[in-house]
Amino acid sequence: DAKTTQPNSMESNEEEPVHLPCNHSTISGTDYIHWYRQLPSQGPEYVIHGLTSNVNNRMASLAIAEDRKSSTLILHRATLRDAAVYYCILRDFPRGSNYKLTFGKGTLLTVNP
Amino acid sequence: DVKVTQSSRYLVKRTGEKVFLECVQDMDHENMFWYRQDPGLGLRLIYFSYDVKMKEKGDIPEGYSVSREKKERFSLILESASTNQTSMYLCASSHRGGGNQPQHFGDGTRLSIL
Repeated sequence: DAKTTQPNSMESNEEEPVHLPCNHSTISGTDYIHWYRQLPSQGPEYVIHGLTSNVNNRMASLAIAEDRKSSTLILHRATLRDAAVYYCILRDFPRGSNYKLTFGKGTLLTVNP
Repeated sequence: DVKVTQSSRYLVKRTGEKVFLECVQDMDHENMFWYRQDPGLGLRLIYFSYDVKMKEKGDIPEGYSVSREKKERFSLILESASTNQTSMYLCASSHRGGGNQPQHFGDGTRLSIL
């Protein structure tokens, strides 16, 4: 899977929006952009994914740049429960489903009360 | 919501014991995975299964085996536990398909081998 680059850490205040960036300049046309997060002492949790268009679900929004070389995960109102490491991953189609997930270092999000 | 349930959150075993880690998913997923997660090494795939009784080795299968007799259940077996198998073990599942299929994880089993 192609490489992604994320900031090591970010900080936010409770109830404020958070924009988590991810660069993926070598993305291919068939790569899906996935986001996962991992809370302390828990397994990773799927957040959202997209291909070209912006996506919304109950957890977050994913904004994808027009050239697809970057994306941003948006948490609309951060809560203390959102404090976690966030991973941006590219998954290749068609083989992506059967293959392992490779997590990079991710972004450690701290949410201040 | 997808539910992936691992049988134990914490487990302590002794060197040489045979250890069974169980995982059950309730979303009729075809694919199931076992990973281990260690500080500084990230997630490493041990085995995965794409159908009942089917399995494929991941990156670090040595010292492990797996069993998938039913679609919803995927077991990881440490044949003879060793201290270097002390780790967080994570089970995941997904639908078969392309890169648009997310993997859903259990809460993990923190296994200590003494």
